[in-house]
Amino acid sequence: AQKITQTQPGMFVQEKEAVTLDCTYDTSDPSYGLFWYKQPSSGEMIFLIYQGSYDQQNATEGRYSLNFQKARKSANLVISASQLGDSAMYFCAMREDTGFQKLVFGTGTRLLVSP
Amino acid sequence: GAGVSQTPSNKVTEKGKYVELRCDPISGHTALYWYRQSLGQGPEFLIYFQGTGAADDSGLPNDRFFAVRPEGSVSTLKIQRTERGDSAVYLCASSAGGPPYEQYFGPGTRLTVT
Repeated sequence: AQKITQTQPGMFVQEKEAVTLDCTYDTSDPSYGLFWYKQPSSGEMIFLIYQGSYDQQNATEGRYSLNFQKARKSANLVISASQLGDSAMYFCAMREDTGFQKLVFGTGTRLLVSP
Repeated sequence: GAGVSQTPSNKVTEKGKYVELRCDPISGHTALYWYRQSLGQGPEFLIYFQGTGAADDSGLPNDRFFAVRPEGSVSTLKIQRTERGDSAVYLCASSAGGPPYEQYFGPGTRLTVT
């Protein structure tokens, strides 16, 4: 069964600093996708970044990058140059490519960016 | 373009009543998903539609929950004989149905069963 583990309930970072949010996963499927979503206090889930299990390069999207270590089954999100608007819940999720397309989410990490 | 929309944004109902939650996906998205998010948790999968058919309903907790998507666009999640434990935010997402299958979420419906 798929499983996503986010061990950091909360993280603090100062504005303009970089921060890493941890995510480990467990799957027996050789083909899968990993996603990060941001959920501000308004409640909407915002797609940030995607990494496929066969991708050779780590994914990057603007200030977001995904540190993918396949052997360790980790997919950490790195946010560079944090901004006050980055304060939110962050969820790691996985989709197995065999079968259906549902996402399995972790419990999330609350990030607080201070001035 | 317009994102995923959900109505109502909030629904308060009494235990035992029937409720319907509506989801309007992004135009052209063939795949539609329902998730449920309890306080302090990540979203949990309920059901997935590809077109009009429910391709995976393994996440529906029991037979009080049912969802339809009759024309392959708008979907309705139906909950019969609501219980206090059904209180949660119900999220709908859609995707274009092709790689990398990223899902775009609506703002959710907050259901409170009193």
